[in-house]
Amino acid sequence: RKEVEQDPGPFNVPEGATVAFNCTYSNSASQSFFWYRQDCRKEPKLLMSVYSSGNEDGRFTAQLNRASQYISLLIRDSKLSDSATYLCVVDDNGNKLVFGAGTILRVKS
Amino acid sequence: EAGVTQFPSHSVIEKGQTVTLRCDPISGHDNLYWYRRVMGKEIKFLLHFVKESKQDESGMPNNRFLAERTGGTYSTLKVQPAELEDSGVYFCASSRTGNYGYTFGSGTRLTVV
Repeated sequence: RKEVEQDPGPFNVPEGATVAFNCTYSNSASQSFFWYRQDCRKEPKLLMSVYSSGNEDGRFTAQLNRASQYISLLIRDSKLSDSATYLCVVDDNGNKLVFGAGTILRVKS
Repeated sequence: EAGVTQFPSHSVIEKGQTVTLRCDPISGHDNLYWYRRVMGKEIKFLLHFVKESKQDESGMPNNRFLAERTGGTYSTLKVQPAELEDSGVYFCASSRTGNYGYTFGSGTRLTVV
């Protein structure tokens, strides 16, 4: 079983749609949680950290459920520029990121 | 501030040859990490330096891989001898102590033929 599991997609959505990604992780001792975005042939870039209380940054909302070991990302009012691979990332010990394989999002006009 | 710089951006070498990848972290970042993505797989941790010391090298695949960070500044990752399965994208990242703000370099795409 993979340490971080994501639906690979692709998710094909029209502009303006709301789309949600989910992720599960296996290590209950994991300390920190993130969503990264990766464009084709580019490096991963931090999109947002994820907290149990939930956090929002503009059109993006992230949520963590420690009991279920489940992380989510909601994107509202999708833009063409949101097309990318979204990586669910868990920090196991404070200095070692564990990546999911990523979920591909394609926003179409 | 300047970002994390990796060199070269691409490298194509023959099986059995040696390749050295370089990473220059953001100035002042004590933590330096190497990660790798092989075709069709997720990005995986290789190792972590704190200044010049190896903090965690549990992800290094085998003894053909040698990472160094002399002087606690830039780091090199040498693969000797390279095998076909070493092909992939090698990412370097850096962060300040106590700060989870990892910044990744643009990666070195290694192809072993």
